[in-house]
Amino acid sequence: AQTVTQSQPEMSVQEAETVTLSCTYDTSESDYYLFWYKQPPSRQMILVIRQEAYKQQNATENRFSVNFQKAAKSFSLKISDSQLGDAAMYFCACSSNTGKLIFGQGTTLQVKP
Amino acid sequence: DAGVIQSPRHEVTEMGQEVTLRCKPISGHDYLFWYRQTMMRGLELLIYFNNNVPIDDSGMPEDRFSAKMPNASFSTLKIQPSEPRDSAVYFCASSFRAFNSPLHFGNGTRLTVT
Repeated sequence: AQTVTQSQPEMSVQEAETVTLSCTYDTSESDYYLFWYKQPPSRQMILVIRQEAYKQQNATENRFSVNFQKAAKSFSLKISDSQLGDAAMYFCACSSNTGKLIFGQGTTLQVKP
Repeated sequence: DAGVIQSPRHEVTEMGQEVTLRCKPISGHDYLFWYRQTMMRGLELLIYFNNNVPIDDSGMPEDRFSAKMPNASFSTLKIQPSEPRDSAVYFCASSFRAFNSPLHFGNGTRLTVT
């Protein structure tokens, strides 16, 4: 069975600073994808970044990057130059080759001006 | 592309009543997911379909919950009878070849059972 764990219920960062959100996962499959989604107060779920498990290179999308440690089953999200609009709940997720997508508990990120 | 459409946006009902949540996925998407979000449990996968066929319903909490997908453009999640602990935000999401594709979420239905 897949599990995804986010051990930080809340995080805060100063505007323009860098913050890292942690995520660990467990899966018995050799091929899978990992995702980070953002949920602002509007409740909309927005894809931030995704990582293919068989690719060693860490994914990057503008100010967002991941640190993917496959052996440790760790998938952290780094947000650089944090902006007020980054304040949201962030969910880590893992997909299986059957299509099943499991989410972590979420981390609420506060950005201080 | 209108995105995934869920209705209603809000639903308030009394304990014991039947509740039906509706979802229209993005045209061409072959996977459809129902999730429930609560503060305590986060985002839980309830059930998902591939080509209108339920693949995994192990997340459906009880027999009071049922989901159907009669065709590629419509799905329902029904709770009968509803209970206060069912209060949550219910999301529908769809994707094309879910394994490596991101999900497209609807705006969710906030259900309150009094």
